[in-house]
This record gives sequence, C-alpha cells and structure tokens, in this order.
Amino acid sequence: DTEVTQTPKHLVMGMTNKKSLKCEQHMGHRAMYWYKQKAKKPPELMFVYSYEKLSINESVPSRFSPECPNSSLLNLHLHALQPEDSALYLCASSQEPGLANYGYTFGSGTRLTVV
Amino acid sequence: SQQGEEDPQALSIQEGENATMNCSYKTSINNLQWYRQNSGRGLVHLILIRSNEREKHSGRLRVTLDTSKKSSSLLITASRAADTASYFCATVPYNQGGKLIFGQGTELSVKP
Repeated sequence: DTEVTQTPKHLVMGMTNKKSLKCEQHMGHRAMYWYKQKAKKPPELMFVYSYEKLSINESVPSRFSPECPNSSLLNLHLHALQPEDSALYLCASSQEPGLANYGYTFGSGTRLTVV
Repeated sequence: SQQGEEDPQALSIQEGENATMNCSYKTSINNLQWYRQNSGRGLVHLILIRSNEREKHSGRLRVTLDTSKKSSSLLITASRAADTASYFCATVPYNQGGKLIFGQGTELSVKP
C-alpha cells in the first residue's frame, strides 16, 4: 500500500458544528502532516507529527485540533470554524521527519466548506 | 510562511515544446522537491534533489539545484497535454524538524 487515504472527500459544515477529518497510511511512515490550501495558493503547513507526537504547530487557531491515535492514523478535529477556513485540507506522510532521501506522500484532500 | 518564489506564475506552451520553471528559496536546505497538482487535487511527488547534488533526471524531467544562488529549475521535455497542472517546488529546510515548505507554484498549460 503506497497511498495516503483521506476521508471524507467533501465536507460542508456550519459554524457551530463539530466534525473530524481522517487520514490513514500503511507505509510505516513515522511523520505525518496536515496542510491547508486555498484556491490558487500553495499548501500551508499546519501541524507535524513525529513518531505520534506533535512536533510542530504553525500557530494554528485552537478551533483546529490534531490527534494521532496511532502510527497509521491522523485526525483533524474541527470546531466553531469560520467561513474563511473553507479550503482543501491535505494530509501527507514521510518516512522520517526531515530525512533527506525521500519525498512526501500526499492524500487527495478533503474539500471543506464552512457555511 | 512560504519559503520562496517560483517563476513564471503561469506558462502556456504547445505540445512537444519544453517547459522550464524556476524556484528560489531563502534558507539552507536538506533537499528540494518538485510536486505536481492537477486541478485542486492531491499533490504528486515528481523528483527530489539533495543539497549536495547539482542535477537529477527522471524520465522527461530534469532538475537542477544551485545552492549558492538558492535556486532550482525544473525542465519538462517534449511536453504533453496531460502535463497540464500546477507545479510546486518545496524545500525541507535544514534543522527545522522536517517541515516541507512550498513555493508559490507555476500553472502550466500544454495545448494540443
């Protein structure tokens, strides 16, 4: 299995809702990432998990709450989002954080719309 | 914060022509990678070049890296309509915990 699987593919939520995005990989990668991408812009790093521990938080608002239950799973819990949080949310994994020899594997993303 | 700039922002060519995209970055890096993204979907890893390498080839792709100028270029030879996509360079900065930081991207359109 050489894929990162993200669910759901599309999500519409109200500003008072609580929802979660899910990401799964079975490649034995020890680093996992969340990115946010607005239309016509590059992906922006949100969080890095290294060996199941949160190692980097890029000053993301607390309405986004990441969780890594095990080495294969990464969740992003969403609560009280704003319309400007509407974006494509991408999950990625890599063999080890910062290892110089390998690329990162991205999922196909969750298209989130906040209404 | 983003690592650097790419140019051109948009490039339109005919099938069979070569496409060259350039990328500049700001900090010392472990490696530089190029990704392709089709129409707002996931990113596909194309090629990685390490900081101690100067040139790398993969099929129709050729990447160069000049660490003294903090710049890289991606050449796609004999382009095809299927190459139409956004192309991003991304760097893994040295000693920053494995962050992958993206440039602004180049939108490539290959006309049949």
